[in-house]
Amino acid sequence: NAGVTQTPKFRVLKTGQSMTLLCAQDMNHEYMYWYRQDPGMGLRLIHYSVGEGTTAKGEVPDGYNVSRLKKQNFLLGLESAAPSQTSVYFCASSYLSDGAYGYTFGSGTRLTVV
Amino acid sequence: AQSVSQHNHHVILSEAASLELGCNYSYGGTVNLFWYVQYPGQHLQLLLKYFSGDPLVKGIKGFEAEFIKSKFSFNLRKPSVQWSDTAEYFCAVRAPPILTGGGNKLTFGTGTQLKVEL
Repeated sequence: NAGVTQTPKFRVLKTGQSMTLLCAQDMNHEYMYWYRQDPGMGLRLIHYSVGEGTTAKGEVPDGYNVSRLKKQNFLLGLESAAPSQTSVYFCASSYLSDGAYGYTFGSGTRLTVV
Repeated sequence: AQSVSQHNHHVILSEAASLELGCNYSYGGTVNLFWYVQYPGQHLQLLLKYFSGDPLVKGIKGFEAEFIKSKFSFNLRKPSVQWSDTAEYFCAVRAPPILTGGGNKLTFGTGTQLKVEL
């Protein structure tokens, strides 16, 4: 049982380049999330999805796009990378239930934009 | 604004010292509360959670947290820390969907970096 898998683990981009981060979960979770983690700012929600084919904006969505074409996958895209997007990106997933379930996190993607 | 506050940004303790990390939130109504830990170079892992019942919650590795509704607090404690507890600790709150637009979203605090010295 792999849980939540993120690829790639590291990436360096030049300003203006594009890339896609992939998140895959094998727990049949309905909800998936993309967070970015920056020093002194904790984790901030970029986008999330409550089910296949749905996406919604989080706290800091600008400059990012997402897609959830399959229930197990949640893709985060950067169309034109900027140095301000240098961060560690975490994907997470959780059950649909209204109960107090926490998240299962991936191991993160460290992105540097130069 | 609705938020989660962790007032201690950096804490340095000696082994065997007692630990208490503060967490306050500003949401009204029923909330679910979590503490996550992130060891160096790793992803976040759930330490403990509260959603109802006994306000004193016990988690893994000897950690516990107390929910005090009147103070909007959920402080993390450990009686005797170990060097291996060196990590960053995040408090998180799941507010009622009507306040967050649904989606089981968690709001995280800014984290507390704990360093335990031998």
